[in-house]
Amino acid sequence: KAGVTQTPRYLIKTRGQQVTLSCSPISGHRSVSWYQQTPGQGLQFLFEYFSETQRNKGNFPGRFSGRQFSNSRSEMNVSTLELGDSALYLCASSLSLAGGMGDTQYFGPGTRLTVL
Amino acid sequence: AQKITQTQPGMFVQEKEAVTLDCTYDTSDQSYGLFWYKQPSSGEMIFLIYQGSYDEQNATEGRYSLNFQKARKSANLVISASQLGDSAMYFCAMREADSWGKLQFGAGTQVVVTP
Repeated sequence: KAGVTQTPRYLIKTRGQQVTLSCSPISGHRSVSWYQQTPGQGLQFLFEYFSETQRNKGNFPGRFSGRQFSNSRSEMNVSTLELGDSALYLCASSLSLAGGMGDTQYFGPGTRLTVL
Repeated sequence: AQKITQTQPGMFVQEKEAVTLDCTYDTSDQSYGLFWYKQPSSGEMIFLIYQGSYDEQNATEGRYSLNFQKARKSANLVISASQLGDSAMYFCAMREADSWGKLQFGAGTQVVVTP
């Protein structure tokens, strides 16, 4: 089975621009979660999508948004980029079976975003 | 407040030795899950092992085992017979009840395996 894929792998943008990152989950996985990883803040949860609905959200400003398509692929968008948005953005997919506390998230290679 | 605490920022371990990575967590939930991930310099997070709060046995996966002490709220990862390829950042993470899709991560421990 193919793993989680993320495109693009690297991005360079300037302040004020917007960016869209894409994530394709493992086949059969219905949940996609997004995380931001920075040296200062570590790994922080952005949001999670399941069946095209945002099911959970972290503490990020409204500039960060996402969506999920019917094939479970997900995109996240960051508008009006700031220097502090420079980070590794990781997406993870899981089966998300009901009641599955052990529902394991499998991560993609990440998109490294640099904002100049 | 920090939910997951990893007190060891970095450590060196000799090849073929065992190493224990500490993780303590804070939750008032009775049902929760604990995960360990490895992140090599390439950046991808690799799932290693899972322990559920109701699991009575400590989880094991190959050379990885989890020393779960529920009363102490600790979930230490033990890597036996370290290999050079084990050099990476290791993260402890927790899922609390009803926190769909949300893992809370510790700050990580950088492990360097030396020959």
